[in-house]
Amino acid sequence: QQQVKQSPQSLIVQKGGISIINCAYENTAFDYFPWYQQFPGKGPALLIAIRPDVSEKKEGRFTISFNKSAKQFSLHIMDSQPGDSATYFCAARSGGSEKLVFGKGTKLTVNP
Amino acid sequence: DTGVSQNPRHKITKRGQNVTFRCDPISEHNRLYWYRQTLGQGPEFLTYFQNEAQLEKSRLLSDRFSAERPKGSFSTLEIQRTEQGDSAMYLCASSLSAGRETQYFGPGTRLLVL
Repeated sequence: QQQVKQSPQSLIVQKGGISIINCAYENTAFDYFPWYQQFPGKGPALLIAIRPDVSEKKEGRFTISFNKSAKQFSLHIMDSQPGDSATYFCAARSGGSEKLVFGKGTKLTVNP
Repeated sequence: DTGVSQNPRHKITKRGQNVTFRCDPISEHNRLYWYRQTLGQGPEFLTYFQNEAQLEKSRLLSDRFSAERPKGSFSTLEIQRTEQGDSAMYLCASSLSAGRETQYFGPGTRLLVL
């Protein structure tokens, strides 16, 4: 059973465009939602994270939007750059557990 | 660079052999995690240590898998009697406790079982 569903599987955008990746979850005990970026041959690196008491968090060109009632959250990458080309994973963690549950990932390609 | 380090980076072994991987966390981090990542999937949690105590284990961690963190610093993950289905990237992560949730991942050890 996949606890965090991520879409799309792959995404191609032009330089300067907006990249949007969506995730949905079922477990209402989740209380921490990070996004990780992974380049080939590297481990995942934290981009940005949010807790469900806020609806939006912005850090530079990266924004998380969170909809608690719909149990959905999304990553927006503004002014996408070729260097943003990577695989992006959403994840979730419930209180009382240290386990991060990851989505299947979205491979983003930003064309110059 | 004082990030999480993992050794070896690549391991090829024959089915039935035992393998051991090592993870060195960021020096002041007392929490250490192991995940497994297969091609086209997100990382899957295996186990977690706080200092030397193993506090959480996934059902994915079968009897053939054992992890240790004897002095609360580095950790080892051993797979006995490897199977082809064990082929994956094994990722280690570490974090500070006291409410700092960010898990910092190492580069991983890629295992291929022939």
